[in-house]
Amino acid sequence: GAVVSQHPSRVICKSGTSVKIECRSLDFQATTMFWYRQFPKQSLMLMATSNEGSKATYEQGVEKDKFLINHASLTLSTLTVTSAHPEDSSFYICSAGRDYEQYFGPGTRLTVT
Amino acid sequence: LAKTTQPISMDSYEGQEVNITCSHNNIATNDYITWYQQFPSQGPRFIIQGYKTKVTNEVASLFIPADRKSSTLSLPRVSLSDTAVYYCLVGALSGGYQKVTFGIGTKLQVIP
Repeated sequence: GAVVSQHPSRVICKSGTSVKIECRSLDFQATTMFWYRQFPKQSLMLMATSNEGSKATYEQGVEKDKFLINHASLTLSTLTVTSAHPEDSSFYICSAGRDYEQYFGPGTRLTVT
Repeated sequence: LAKTTQPISMDSYEGQEVNITCSHNNIATNDYITWYQQFPSQGPRFIIQGYKTKVTNEVASLFIPADRKSSTLSLPRVSLSDTAVYYCLVGALSGGYQKVTFGIGTKLQVIP
């Protein structure tokens, strides 16, 4: 089956710094990847759609200058949280699409202190 | 994107069959129904997908009536490891390339 990985699995950073999260499709090419954020006891909330070779499409209310997405290859998309604040602490999940299904990564736990 | 409605939570004893129903009154002709399972601090995992009637795989069955305005995920003989949140999603066949919207999901608690 298709596998999506994320790195790191958890990260702690200080307020004001930037942190990069990688999402890789390990055994298939993904022209489209999605980034979600999930707060405790809540559902997944779509942040943006990442398209290989083009700009990401952000959902309403998501700051594109704060959450930088780069989909430089067919197997890698990165999410950079810039000038992180404690309220950015959350569980970030990516998914990669193939055919009729989305395959989700294991998630990255971000804690901003 | 069709909106879905599910029960917020359900409890079940080990060994019982669990049925979780999802309402999607505004489902479009091209939409498929997909169910995902999520454990705490993990990404969602695909369970099953269907368009109409009944679909069965090694872990679950999906029942879809003729009007397709609802669907029921059936988990046979649940165990403690089935305790998780289950999400019902509705989207087009090319769902792998289109954004999907997660509802609140159903938190299933399996009791010993």
